[in-house]
Amino acid sequence: ELKVEQNPLFLSMQEGKNYTIYCNYSTTSDRLYWYRQDPGKSLESLFVLLSNGAVKQEGRLMASLDTKARLSTLHITAAVHDLSATYFCAVSGNYQLIWGAGTKLIIKP
Amino acid sequence: EAGVAQSPRYKIIEKRQSVAFWCNPISGHATLYWYQQILGQGPKLLIQFQNNGVVDDSQLPKDRFSAERLKGVDSTLKIQPAKLEDSAVYLCASSRTSGTTDTQYFGPGTRLTVL
Repeated sequence: ELKVEQNPLFLSMQEGKNYTIYCNYSTTSDRLYWYRQDPGKSLESLFVLLSNGAVKQEGRLMASLDTKARLSTLHITAAVHDLSATYFCAVSGNYQLIWGAGTKLIIKP
Repeated sequence: EAGVAQSPRYKIIEKRQSVAFWCNPISGHATLYWYQQILGQGPKLLIQFQNNGVVDDSQLPKDRFSAERLKGVDSTLKIQPAKLEDSAVYLCASSRTSGTTDTQYFGPGTRLTVL
């Protein structure tokens, strides 16, 4: 059974700092998604990672995938308040996505 | 391009009552998903449709939940009777094809509170 773990589950950080969110999964998979969810809003797709070593970047967010380690990271560079949200990873398995519990990120001015 | 539409946005009912949610996916998307998201957790897939056929409903509590997708477009999800533990946000998503090869696009969700 595919399981997905994210850590940390909660992160409070100062603007301008860098930090990384981790997503571990238990069995092999051919793709991994990162989504963002603002409070009271729906899920917005950020990245899809398809192969080992894949790296995607959008603004201050960079996602990478290591399929051998079954690990994806979402790195935040020089955080700004607008990036405050909950970030989910979701891993492809058995024709459906298996979701992590989410990382709630709060960025303080 | 219009996104995934859902209604109502909020619903408050008492336990043992029934409730229905509606979803209109992105035009041309063959696959439609209903998820349940409990506060503080990731989404949990309830049912997946490919056109108007069910692909996966293994996590749908079939004694109280039902869903249909008539004509392969709009879908409704019904709960009857509701329990306290059904309080959650119900998310509808759609994708161009089935499985996990295409990005899923989510609607705004329906927040259900069961009292």
